[in-house]
Formats: sequence, C-alpha cells, structure tokens
Amino acid sequence: DTGVSQDPRHKITKRGQNVTFRCDPISEHNRLYWYRQTLGQGPEFLTYFQNEAQLEKSRLLSDRFSAERPKGSFSTLEIQRTEQGDSAMYLCASSSILDLATEAFFGQGTRLTVV
Amino acid sequence: DQQVKQNSPSLSVQEGRISILNCDYTNSMFDYFLWYKKYPAEGPTFLISISSIKDKNEDGRFTVFLNKSAKHLSLHIVPSQPGDSAVYFCAASMNRDDKIIFGKGTRLHILP
Repeated sequence: DTGVSQDPRHKITKRGQNVTFRCDPISEHNRLYWYRQTLGQGPEFLTYFQNEAQLEKSRLLSDRFSAERPKGSFSTLEIQRTEQGDSAMYLCASSSILDLATEAFFGQGTRLTVV
Repeated sequence: DQQVKQNSPSLSVQEGRISILNCDYTNSMFDYFLWYKKYPAEGPTFLISISSIKDKNEDGRFTVFLNKSAKHLSLHIVPSQPGDSAVYFCAASMNRDDKIIFGKGTRLHILP
C-alpha cells in the first residue's frame, strides 16, 4: 500500500462550476478525514467518516460542500457552485481505531484554484 | 476561535543546536496531542504524539513535553539537522479517536 492517495493533485475551475475530489485511504484504515488548508493557516477540519458513516461535519462548512464514503473505502468531496474563497488545498487523511490504532496519515492534497 | 495556538510563525536555529517549538491550547477537554511536519507540496507527516496522562514522550531526536496546568506543550529537536527545515503543526483532539484540531504552524529554518 502506497499510503493515502488523492486525485486530482491540481484543479482549476471557473467560479460557479462544481468540482469533485477523490480520496483513497490506506486500505485497512476505517477512519477518513477531510481538511482544508489555506496559505498561512493550519489544516481546518471539514468532516470525517468511520467506515461509511459520516460522524461529524464542521459547523463552518457551507451547504455547498458534501462528502460521501459509500462503501467505507474511498471518499469523494464535492463542492457545488464554487466561489473564489474555496481556493485552497484539500487534504484527506486516514487512520485506524481498531486494535492497532494509528495516527492520521495525510495524502498530498488536491490544490483547488477557482478563477 | 483558535483552540490550538502557535504564536511563533517562524523560528531559525543553527544546525546542531536545539530547536524548541511551542504550542498553547485553550480547550481543557483536549487529552491527546500531536505534532506534524510539513514540507512544501506534501501533506502533513505525523511526527510524535503524547497523551494527557504523560508529561513527556521521546522518539529519537524528538521529544514532546506537556504541561497540562499551563495548557502548553513543546517540541524539542536535538540536534537540529538541515532536513528538519519545514512547517511544524501542533494538533490536539479530545481523545485519540476524535477529530484533530490544528494550529497555524511554525516554519522552522535550520541554518548551516
């Protein structure tokens, strides 16, 4: 297993368009997290899943954002009607909370630019 | 509402000396703390963690100290090496299974 994989690495979109990002976690990890990072800031929590269940979504997250993890494996993050303020690095992380609990491992992120 | 604060945006340290990165938190419910390291164009990489039942955890050149009464933790890197130049994020969670809240990061420069 090569770690957490995110696709695409870069995305440029026009304002008002919808975008979807994909995250493939480490295979045995049952937790999956989405974070957003802007310049000069730390990763900001968006949402997380345990298996296919979405456990929490940030109160600060607009309704234009939705995430799914339909089979408890990969996850998608969709942003509808993108705005310039959505430009950021979107990070996915996974961890295990089973017997061999692990810390969260991050992917390389998807950089979104809204023009 | 910044629950995890890293008040030094940057720090420069001579190679071979000790690097000390500081972090304060406001939420007394946090009981698990982590440090992540980030290089440009990469995701954060886990470095070291500490549970609130401990006050120190060591892993090679990296040691994390936790002062619960002061709501303060620090990361010590000894000796500092050029490859340590990166952004370091302090993070916390309410238990090991909860979401992780990050600080804004401190950029560490190791000088030759």
